[in-house]
Amino acid sequence: EAQVTQNPRYLITVTGKKLTVTCSQNMNHEYMSWYRQDPGLGLRQIYYSMNVEVTDKGDVPEGYKVSRKEKRNFPLILESPSPNQTSLYFCASSSTALIWRQYFGPGTRLTVT
Amino acid sequence: KNEVEQSPQNLTAQEGEFITINCSYSVGISALHWLQQHPGGGIVSLFMLSSGKKKHGRLIATINIQEKHSSLHITASHPRDSAVYICAVTGSRGAQKLVFGQGTRLTINP
Repeated sequence: EAQVTQNPRYLITVTGKKLTVTCSQNMNHEYMSWYRQDPGLGLRQIYYSMNVEVTDKGDVPEGYKVSRKEKRNFPLILESPSPNQTSLYFCASSSTALIWRQYFGPGTRLTVT
Repeated sequence: KNEVEQSPQNLTAQEGEFITINCSYSVGISALHWLQQHPGGGIVSLFMLSSGKKKHGRLIATINIQEKHSSLHITASHPRDSAVYICAVTGSRGAQKLVFGQGTRLTINP
């Protein structure tokens, strides 16, 4: 089954404790992206990757890092989480030929206290 | 002012009604996208438009490039259409960067 998986689905952590949210897709997609969703602000793009070792900033990259060492994986790293990073995070992937047809992961709800 | 504005923010209708959700944008775009977010949180891409009109089942999306406006219509609405509908644009910065509207929460009552 074609899918994008994210782990963990729910996470409560404390300020400053490094964490990684994993994202994996099984569709051989070149394009992957991370979004955060906040009430009143909607979805905002954090980082995206056009292919292995090619990443670029979205609209809200501060406080986040990403890496794309393998085509299927695109982890989101919070080196020193802060309460303003409490949010619902989505990973998505698509082929570069059809970037609009993005497949979204189920979301990760992160709470930073 | 947000680059992408949707209206209404909330919409409640009765089953069978014709639904219209609007999206206006203020930047030059290469494409406009409509997405659906289910009550459980899952997000699905519905359409991508760069001109004209597209139809998929009971969903119809139109775009007017000159007026910087798009509409999503749902015909013969059903309670299972209840979801948040999100408009997004890809602009001159490239097709890989999306800017989203805040979403329209649609509730269809039986």
